Order: sequence, then structure tokens, then C-alpha cells
Amino acid sequence: GDSVTQTEGLVTLTEGLPVMLNCTYQSTYSPFLFWYVQHLNEAPKLLLKSFTDNKRPEHQGFHATLHKSSSSFHLQKSSAQLSDSALYYCALSAGGSNAKLTFGKGTKLSVKS
Amino acid sequence: DPKIIQKPKYLVAVTGSEKILICEQYLGHNAMYWYRQSAKKPLEFMFSYSYQKLMDNQTASSRFQPQSSKKNHLDLQITALKPDDSATYFCASSPDTSGNTLYFGEGSRLIVV
Repeated sequence: GDSVTQTEGLVTLTEGLPVMLNCTYQSTYSPFLFWYVQHLNEAPKLLLKSFTDNKRPEHQGFHATLHKSSSSFHLQKSSAQLSDSALYYCALSAGGSNAKLTFGKGTKLSVKS
Repeated sequence: DPKIIQKPKYLVAVTGSEKILICEQYLGHNAMYWYRQSAKKPLEFMFSYSYQKLMDNQTASSRFQPQSSKKNHLDLQITALKPDDSATYFCASSPDTSGNTLYFGEGSRLIVV
């Protein structure tokens, strides 16, 4: 079945340093990949979604590149901000008629001043 | 204004009782989902519905029964509640089930005592 593996646990960074959260996946199909962000006591919200034409999605300074050869979709940002502190989920959707999102276990990012 | 309404936001229930979690979406989407989030299993897929028909069920227990009275409603009935059922239950929706972005409600936090 489909699965997503993320950097597990807590990642602590100092403000201004680059962010990289790892995500690799396994899927029988050629899936869509997503990054969701969840702030404390809020709902998960879409941060990024992979494109089918290999373009690199970007939002709020974050970007991720889908590498099918290595089955990866790592999340990156050049300079962390305090407001980036949140729980980040990588997820995949296999598409087709039953395209539920399969989520990784999440990575908690804590940005300190 | 929230486009996916979940009720109640917080709920304390007694072991063995039965509760219904309500979800309504006003995004015009055709697919709806339930996910569960707990300390043990972050964002675990439970059910997906498309045009009011069950598409996928990853919940082992029959104590969890989704109910769809209208296309934009997907309630979750939980019977014989156990303390292990304590979690935040998120309702989500997407335009259809072909790899689209999921939009999440604010969640219903259930505590079973």
C-alpha cells in the first residue's frame, strides 16, 4: 500500500536558518504529493501540492521538488521565521477514484529566536 | 467564515455511551472524509465518501459508522465509546476523489472518560 515517511519528531531551528524537512514515499502509482501545516489547535491546511509537469510549487517562502527517481518531496525554506513553528505533514494521493490522502507521522518544527 | 462546520468542537463522553459528530461542508465538494488525530496516530484516515457513497473504510471497528443524509453532510456515529477513542476527529472535503486538495474542518475533540 501507499506510505509516507517523514523526518520524525521535533526539529528545532534558530530564526533565519534554512529549513529542510524530509519526505519520502512509496506508491504503486504516480501520486500527487502534498505538504500540510497545522498550527496549534487548528486544522491542517494545505501548504504545497506537487505539479504534474515538474514545476516547483512555492508558498509563503516554502518550496518542494518532487523527485520521482528518489521518491522524495522534501520541504525547504531559505530562512525560518518564528511563525513557521508548527506541525508539518507530508501526504500523498494516488489519484483515481479513491484518492484519499495518506499522511506521514508529521514533523514538529520549532523556530527559536 | 468556516466552510466546513463541525459540531461539537469539544465533547466529553462516558465509556460505553454513543455520540454523533456532525460535519457540513459549504464548498460544493462531492467527496468527504473523516480523519482521526491522536497522540498515538497523527492524522489517520478513517472513511471517504463520494456522492454519498462509501469509497473506502480503513476503520477496523464497526463501532464507527459514517452517515450521509445529504451530499454536503457526513456525520460520524461512534457507539460503545472507549477511552482509546479519545482524539480529535477531523472532517474534510475535496472537489472529487481524483488527487485534489483536501480541506479540513476545525475538528471535534472527543474525550472519553
